[in-house]
Amino acid sequence: LAKTTQPISMDSYEGQEVNITCSHNNIATNDYITWYQQFPSQGPRFIIQGYKTKVTNEVASLFIPADRKSSTLSLPRVSLSDTAVYYCLVGEWEYGNKLVFGAGTILRVKS
Amino acid sequence: DAGVIQSPRHEVTEMGQEVTLRCKPISGHDYLFWYRQTMMRGLELLIYFNNNVPIDDSGMPEDRFSAKMPNASFSTLKIQPSEPRDSAVYFCASRPTVLNTEAFFGQGTRLTVV
Repeated sequence: LAKTTQPISMDSYEGQEVNITCSHNNIATNDYITWYQQFPSQGPRFIIQGYKTKVTNEVASLFIPADRKSSTLSLPRVSLSDTAVYYCLVGEWEYGNKLVFGAGTILRVKS
Repeated sequence: DAGVIQSPRHEVTEMGQEVTLRCKPISGHDYLFWYRQTMMRGLELLIYFNNNVPIDDSGMPEDRFSAKMPNASFSTLKIQPSEPRDSAVYFCASRPTVLNTEAFFGQGTRLTVV
């Protein structure tokens, strides 16, 4: 599993766009990039996954440059309820490779 | 589907007692994971199963910890004897055998050992 590096914490204000970058220099050819979100007192929840370029869903966008050595999770117009820990995972999830979480990024959204 | 169901949601026990945490995965999911989360150590993978068989238990901290999956719809994590340092939130998660499919987590069991 590729090692990932994320900022420990970030602060933002309601209505702003938040970008959280994850570095994964040792990403392998078959690895996918997955982001999970964890609210206080809840289990992590899948947000988005991608392999290259850009992926967008109703919650977030994921930007992956051509070299794939980093990725950026983009949350548009955050609200107070987006305050959570965001985890970046990199790996080949075929047949259930184990999910190993790093420290994640604590995002605090202020009013 | 009701999602991954864990019980109990909260458990307070005295040091030295046996504690059993329970998990019901989502029907049809072949993989089941047990995690422990603390402020100091973050979210740690303890063990995971595939088709009821333990695949990797390298994260199990000590022999006091054991996990079983007697069938596809039930798993237990047992701590015997429990110690104050076992206090944490324990999560169970499951996922199907499909390439790059997300894992679904339960609400967790908050364990306090006094």
